[in-house]
Amino acid sequence: KNQVEQSPQSLIILEGKNCTLQCNYTVSPFSNLRWYKQDTGRGPVSLTIMTFSENTKSNGRYTATLDADTKQSSLHITASQLSDSASYICVVTEGVMIYNQGGKLIFGQGTELSVKP
Amino acid sequence: DTAVSQTPKYLVTQMGNDKSIKCEQNLGHDTMYWYKQDSKKFLKIMFSYNNKELIINETVPNRFSPKSPDKAHLNLHINSLELGDSAVYFCASSQIAGGLYEQFFGPGTRLTVL
Repeated sequence: KNQVEQSPQSLIILEGKNCTLQCNYTVSPFSNLRWYKQDTGRGPVSLTIMTFSENTKSNGRYTATLDADTKQSSLHITASQLSDSASYICVVTEGVMIYNQGGKLIFGQGTELSVKP
Repeated sequence: DTAVSQTPKYLVTQMGNDKSIKCEQNLGHDTMYWYKQDSKKFLKIMFSYNNKELIINETVPNRFSPKSPDKAHLNLHINSLELGDSAVYFCASSQIAGGLYEQFFGPGTRLTVL
């Protein structure tokens, strides 16, 4: 069964500190992996997207890594800010094309990050 | 300008009622989606439309009926609402379904069935 699992479920850190969120997946075939940020009461917003051949991708203070062999990804947040408090969702796209278009997205349950002053 | 908009943002209703949620995107995208986010925060796809044509239907009860009058709009009508339908419903759009194309999400509609 295609699944995406994230850890930890929740995390509290102090402002200015770094943190790393984990994502393991069993989705096969694999197309790409995305990290989304979801603020409370808002829709998810894309942070990064990586294909099979990419090991790392950065977006400002956010750096995502991908190990396609072990089917693991991480999202590292550097010098955290209060505005980083949100849910971070790992999403894997199936490599099975639908109607000659892209595959279906499989979502993890997210890691709830709280940054305290 | 809001890229993907949904109305209403909150919807509280009684069991057995029929309700609709509207979605509009002004990005010129061909594909639109409806997702359900349950209390455990998992987002699950319900439907996907490409140019007004249904391309994904994830075994959603037929009480849920999406309607796409044009490629900029994808509305969700729910008949005979049940307690288990309480969730946050997100509309999204992308240039092409899945693949490398980013999905842009609306702000969500929190549905509470009493």
